Amino acid sequence: GENVEQHPSTLSVQEGDSAVIKCTYSDSASNYFPWYKQELGKRPQLIIDIRSNVGEKKDQRIAVTLNKTAKHFSLHITETQPEDSAVYFCAARDFGNEKLTFGTGTRLTIIP
Amino acid sequence: DTGVSQDPRHKITKRGQNVTFRCDPISEHNRLYWYRQTLGQGPEFLTYFQNEAQLEKSRLLSDRFSAERPKGSFSTLEIQRTEQGDSAMYLCASSLDTGAGYTFGSGTRLTVV
Repeated sequence: GENVEQHPSTLSVQEGDSAVIKCTYSDSASNYFPWYKQELGKRPQLIIDIRSNVGEKKDQRIAVTLNKTAKHFSLHITETQPEDSAVYFCAARDFGNEKLTFGTGTRLTIIP
Repeated sequence: DTGVSQDPRHKITKRGQNVTFRCDPISEHNRLYWYRQTLGQGPEFLTYFQNEAQLEKSRLLSDRFSAERPKGSFSTLEIQRTEQGDSAMYLCASSLDTGAGYTFGSGTRLTVV
């Protein structure tokens, strides 16, 4: 089955700097890659996603890039703000398969 | 419709007891998923429904676990003879179709003592 690895497990950045979180996946058939943000005690919330026919997608300060050949994808947050502090999870889904396989999460801390 | 609702938010039970959780998905969503999340880990897939049909079950879902979605709307997840290892956050999610992202509920936190 699919295996998703996520790095780093913790990340601290100064407010205003950029943060990058990286994930790799094992199954070349995976074609959908969402990113979720989970604040303490709250539900995971979808913040951005990308499909395998696209190399990059951007939404304001958040962007995701996908390298299908290398089987990795990354989340980029620019101009970080204190409210960006949370745990971020990447995930991957096979074509024709309903389940998402999640990474182990990255705890992002924005230092004011 | 304010999103995916789960009930209860918290459940403390003694080992060996049975528990049942409920999930109400977004009304127009035909797909419903159950995941389990333990501290410091990402959500792990348990099972999913398309309308009332349960189409996939994880090996994590032992015979003590059963899920239903009788009318294709709300779903229940029952755990029989609970064990301490069942302590986790149980998350429900729904989506409109296979190409869409999930919307998660706030989860039910189960503590088995």
